[in-house]
Amino acid sequence: AIQLTQSPSSLSASVGDRVTITCRASQAISTALAWYQQKPGKPPKLLIYDASSLESGVPSRFSGSGSETDFTLTISSLQPEDSAAYYCQHFNSYPLTFGGGTQVEIK
Amino acid sequence: QVQLQQWGAGLLKPSETLSLTCAVHGGSFSGYYWSWIRQPPGKGLEWIGEINHVGSTNQNPSLKSRVSVLVDTSKNQVSLKLSSVTAADTAVYFCARMADYVSGRHYFDSWGQGTLVTVSS
Repeated sequence: AIQLTQSPSSLSASVGDRVTITCRASQAISTALAWYQQKPGKPPKLLIYDASSLESGVPSRFSGSGSETDFTLTISSLQPEDSAAYYCQHFNSYPLTFGGGTQVEIK
Repeated sequence: QVQLQQWGAGLLKPSETLSLTCAVHGGSFSGYYWSWIRQPPGKGLEWIGEINHVGSTNQNPSLKSRVSVLVDTSKNQVSLKLSSVTAADTAVYFCARMADYVSGRHYFDSWGQGTLVTVSS
């Protein structure tokens, strides 16, 4: 199975900061990567698919980039409502797997 | 707008069988694959398996020997059964819709609310 390693596991940043989360795949997956946001007690919400395509209704401050093994999720200007856990997921092959998650907190 | 409503027993004893159901309201049922995903308390997400309207399935090899994913097209429902549960199976279980199986878009664009299943003697 393809393993996804996210870093950092947690971060704390101020409102307005630029935040970057990385996701590294154990083998090349082209652009078959999605990003999710999860708030406590809620299911994950799709943010980004195909590594860089923004899901409808998601604020434009969220963006994704990368290909093959290295990917990033960027929040260009952190907002209070962005406090959440973020997960990457590959869909290159079965079994589908997720990264371990990154907890984003607001200072 | 599709809505996924899930339910099932929340407390099991070791060796029992977990049984959850997910009902799909609105949108197309037959045009999608429907997955089960779980999340142990405070931990990350694990894909369990999926099914479509004709019963074609894919499963995570790590759980395959204990997992059954079923479909009832007359009710637009999918079900998960996980046998011989242990404390390690304690998790929130989600059902989710795969965006587009045919085109390879094997990510999840709609989710159920989640069901906490606790395994304890």
